[in-house]
Amino acid sequence: QLQLQESGPGPVKPSETLTLTCSVSGGSVNARMYYWDWIRQTPGRGLEWIGSIHNSGRTYYNPSLLSRATVSIDISQNQFSLTLNFVTAADTAIYYCARRGFASSDVSWSTSPSWFDPWGQGTLVTVSS
Amino acid sequence: DIQMTQFPSSLSASVGDTVTISCRASQNINNYVSWFQQKPGKAPTLIIFAASSLPAGVPSRFSGGGSGTDFSLTIRSLAREDFATYFCQQSHPTPPLYTFGQGTHLDLK
Repeated sequence: QLQLQESGPGPVKPSETLTLTCSVSGGSVNARMYYWDWIRQTPGRGLEWIGSIHNSGRTYYNPSLLSRATVSIDISQNQFSLTLNFVTAADTAIYYCARRGFASSDVSWSTSPSWFDPWGQGTLVTVSS
Repeated sequence: DIQMTQFPSSLSASVGDTVTISCRASQNINNYVSWFQQKPGKAPTLIIFAASSLPAGVPSRFSGGGSGTDFSLTIRSLAREDFATYFCQQSHPTPPLYTFGQGTHLDLK
């Protein structure tokens, strides 16, 4: 069974760079018809999608992050990562990694309905001086 | 961005009741909707994908419906373990920006 596990630094100071890693077990990040995503959750803003990567290296990001986010993948380590630059208190959240699967398996698979499953357990990141 | 307006924000019900939660998209998104259940301190789990499909292992008392802009999640014969928060989410690829509803907290009356 596929499992995802986030790891990260815990507290981070404002203006620093946050790096989180998602380790994948029971499956491969090199699987062709999946994307690997980061999502965060706060009481005030709810669930917010951050970004996504495919094993080809193709990435998508939420423009609300103003280009501060980078998602990368390490196939040899079977993991993917999130880097978020210039963090502020507003980046304090629970961060989740998730696999995104798709309804279709034909040539248009990446534009078919998709869903996040499974999710990691989440890791709390606190930005504070 | 495609906005997902979810309602009600909270709902009280009893074991055995049937409840319906709704989500409205700000534009036509066909069937690009998923639903998630989240319990306190846990990650969300998928309960419906592609608007009406049930993942393996999810009880058949959960059902999803709708297409276009209006979507619903119905839970029939509520079980005690169903009291949780539920989120809708859209995955329309244009633009590739996936958004969630604000959630519905379902509690025991």
